Amino acid sequence: NAGVTQTPKFQVLKTGQSMTLQCAQDMNHNSMYWYRQDPGMGLRLIYYSASEGTTDKGEVPNGYNVSRLNKREFSLRLESAAPSQTSVYFCASSEAWSLYNEQFFGPGTRLTVL
Amino acid sequence: ILNVEQSPQSLHVQEGDSTNFTCSFPSSNFYALHWYRWETAKSPEALFVMTLNGDEKKKGRISATLNTKEGYSYLYIKGSQPEDSATYLCASNAGGTSYGKLTFGQGTILTVHP
Repeated sequence: NAGVTQTPKFQVLKTGQSMTLQCAQDMNHNSMYWYRQDPGMGLRLIYYSASEGTTDKGEVPNGYNVSRLNKREFSLRLESAAPSQTSVYFCASSEAWSLYNEQFFGPGTRLTVL
Repeated sequence: ILNVEQSPQSLHVQEGDSTNFTCSFPSSNFYALHWYRWETAKSPEALFVMTLNGDEKKKGRISATLNTKEGYSYLYIKGSQPEDSATYLCASNAGGTSYGKLTFGQGTILTVHP
């Protein structure tokens, strides 16, 4: 089992460009999450999908959109990248939409917006 | 969203030392407290999910305690080894609902010197 996979691992964008970060999990998990990690700050939730067919905003959703393509895949789209979106992005999944379930994280995507 | 705080921000210890650090979280409306270990260039991995006041969990040389009434958790590492060097993250529902949204602390960076 690969667990949670993310592509790409690294990306450099110019301000105003768009891109989609891909995430897939092979653990048959129901819930998936997108976080961003910035220096000196904890992981901050951007969007989440409690179950296939649903998505909702987290703590810092502005400038992002998501798609839960199927049970396995959850993508994050930056429509018009800004330097403030320079960050490391982590996708995660959990068995159910419950605080009692641990989250499994992907390897991260390091994004730089110039 | 109320805050989850971790202290200290960073810690340097010698191989063989025992160490501990703290996670503080809102005690009202508490449901769960997670500890994750995040090694450089890897994904965060769950150590413990704790739910009950007085809970103690152990995995090898690492253990954690939980006080939900006063809103803190301690993580202990006995006989630190260089491979314990990592960032340790805690997360809780931070006064939110019982569903899957976690609020993460900023992490404690542990460096164990040989």
